[in-house]
Amino acid sequence: SAVISQKPSRDICQRGTSLTIQCQVDSQVTMMFWYRQQPGQSLTLIATANQGSEATYESGFVIDKFPISRPNLTFSTLTVSNMSPEDSSIYLCSVARSQETQYFGPGTRLLVL
Amino acid sequence: GQQLNQSPQSMFIQEGEDVSMNCTSSSIFNTWLWYKQDPGEGPVLLIALYKAGELTSNGRLTAQFGITRKDSFLNISASIPSDVGIYFCAGPRGNAGNMLTFGGGTRLMVKP
Repeated sequence: SAVISQKPSRDICQRGTSLTIQCQVDSQVTMMFWYRQQPGQSLTLIATANQGSEATYESGFVIDKFPISRPNLTFSTLTVSNMSPEDSSIYLCSVARSQETQYFGPGTRLLVL
Repeated sequence: GQQLNQSPQSMFIQEGEDVSMNCTSSSIFNTWLWYKQDPGEGPVLLIALYKAGELTSNGRLTAQFGITRKDSFLNISASIPSDVGIYFCAGPRGNAGNMLTFGGGTRLMVKP
């Protein structure tokens, strides 16, 4: 497994602003991912954070709205840009070393007013 | 794309009862993962299944990888209040081994 931390753990933001969420892992990992979990829903993959190159986004998610950085093998950030109330969700990072098995961070709870 | 159908959506049971939930798909999966999400937390991996027919236990939890590779179930025996949470099944999409598809989740509530 891996020890994963996220900052902030929660935030309340005004519409039109942006929030950057950090994900830190205690050891190097091959893959890092960002998910969104809307209230009462399952997890939806936003993008795969690629070290040293642009993230790979899923259908329905774009770089302008969710820019992602991954400067090294233990750290990644997700920015939620120009927020609206519809962006209120839990944002989760996950990591994978071996094929398929992913471990999740504690999540960042975002409320946009 | 591949979808995972999880049932039931929610369960409200008495402490001590056994629980069973399952996950089905129209597509074949080569791996099945079961996660639990406690309120206010991220999902935690409970059990990983890698072979058709595999039956794996983790304490009071038992999960099986269906022979057809299109389904999996998770059983919890003698439920306790701390079993409360949302249980998700997940599997890798197609050839993208590290990218997971999640089921809709089963919300479990346990009455002491």
